[in-house]
Amino acid sequence: KQEVTQIPAALSVPEGENLVLNCSFTDSAIYNLQWFRQDPGKGLTSLLLIQSSQREQTSGRLNASLDKSSGRSTLYIAASQPGDSATYLCAVGSNTGKLIFGQGTTLQVKP
Amino acid sequence: IAGITQAPTSQILAAGRRMTLRCTQDMRHNAMYWYRQDLGLGLRLIHYSNTAGTTGKGEVPDGYSVSRANTDDFPLTLASAVPSQTSVYFCASSDVAGVTEQFFGPGTRLTVL
Repeated sequence: KQEVTQIPAALSVPEGENLVLNCSFTDSAIYNLQWFRQDPGKGLTSLLLIQSSQREQTSGRLNASLDKSSGRSTLYIAASQPGDSATYLCAVGSNTGKLIFGQGTTLQVKP
Repeated sequence: IAGITQAPTSQILAAGRRMTLRCTQDMRHNAMYWYRQDLGLGLRLIHYSNTAGTTGKGEVPDGYSVSRANTDDFPLTLASAVPSQTSVYFCASSDVAGVTEQFFGPGTRLTVL
């Protein structure tokens, strides 16, 4: 059974820092991996989708990498801002579209 | 462009009552999904539909049913609500199951007393 783990559960950094969020999964037979952002009381916003054949994806200050063989993905956030404060979720996808989510990392960026 | 709409936004329900959560998307996506989000358990898939007319069971389907009569709508029904179904429910859609990214609705907060 696929299990997805995100470490750390919470992270607090000063504004301007570059940071890395980690996601690991137990079964490397994935179709894709998706990173989401969730603000308190809100739905999920898709940030990046990496297909299993890809090694990384970039969008603005965000860069996500995928290493299937080691069962790991990282989300790199450059020059963090207070508006980046949110919970970040990673989810691994199967060929049927089912997503298995990690518990998330709650990020606080202090001004 | 609305994307995905869910109704109601929140609901308090007596145990034993029947409840249907509504989900509509205007992106003409083929696949739709229902998840529940619980503190400490994260997001878990309840049911999914890869195309209109088909449905499948997710990780936690017991006590829930779905239908997919057309592309846009994917209602989730609790036939006889129980307190353990208290949760936040999210509907999601993607153009092609397993290939394209999933987009999420704003959620329905359901409390079963």
